[in-house]
Amino acid sequence: NAGVTQTPKFRVLKTGQSMTLLCAQDMNHEYMYWYRQDPGMGLRLIHYSVGEGTTAKGEVPDGYNVSRLKKQNFLLGLESAAPSQTSVYFCASSVRLAGSGEQFFGPGTRLTVL
Amino acid sequence: SQQGEEDPQALSIQEGENATMNCSYKTSINNLQWYRQNSGRGLVHLILIRSNEREKHSGRLRVTLDTSKKSSSLLITASRAADTASYFCATVPNSGGYQKVTFGTGTKLQVIP
Repeated sequence: NAGVTQTPKFRVLKTGQSMTLLCAQDMNHEYMYWYRQDPGMGLRLIHYSVGEGTTAKGEVPDGYNVSRLKKQNFLLGLESAAPSQTSVYFCASSVRLAGSGEQFFGPGTRLTVL
Repeated sequence: SQQGEEDPQALSIQEGENATMNCSYKTSINNLQWYRQNSGRGLVHLILIRSNEREKHSGRLRVTLDTSKKSSSLLITASRAADTASYFCATVPNSGGYQKVTFGTGTKLQVIP
């Protein structure tokens, strides 16, 4: 099993450009999450999904959109990138809601917005 | 502000020594989790301790929870160079549902061979 995979691993964007980050998991997990990690701060939840076709806002959702058309995939979109969105993005999945137990994390995507 | 704050921010020890890191939080919790993150990698779940538990063990890891002081500690015994990583506590509040997990800022542990 590959677990949780993320593509791309690195990306550099110019302000105003758009992009989509892809997260895929092969563990048949219902729950999936997108976090961002910034220096000196803990992970912050952007959006999450409790099942195929569902999405919900997390702590810092502004400037991002998500879609979960297939159970195994969770996409994070930036419509108009801003320098404040420079960060490392992590996707995670879990059998139950994150607070109930273990989340499995992907390796991360390092995004720089110039 | 962050719910969980780890202390110290950085810790450097010799291989074989024990490493202790602490997490303090502000509001009542349902449970507290510890994660490890190796440099350039995703987080890995280590252990979950519920609010009605005081101590939990997993291999060389020992976690304690003191809800009266709103604090938890993670002890790694007989440390190895491979334990070099950042360690994060994550708190799950009593209210707000199980989807809300708040991560602390982490303790960066260096184990010197």
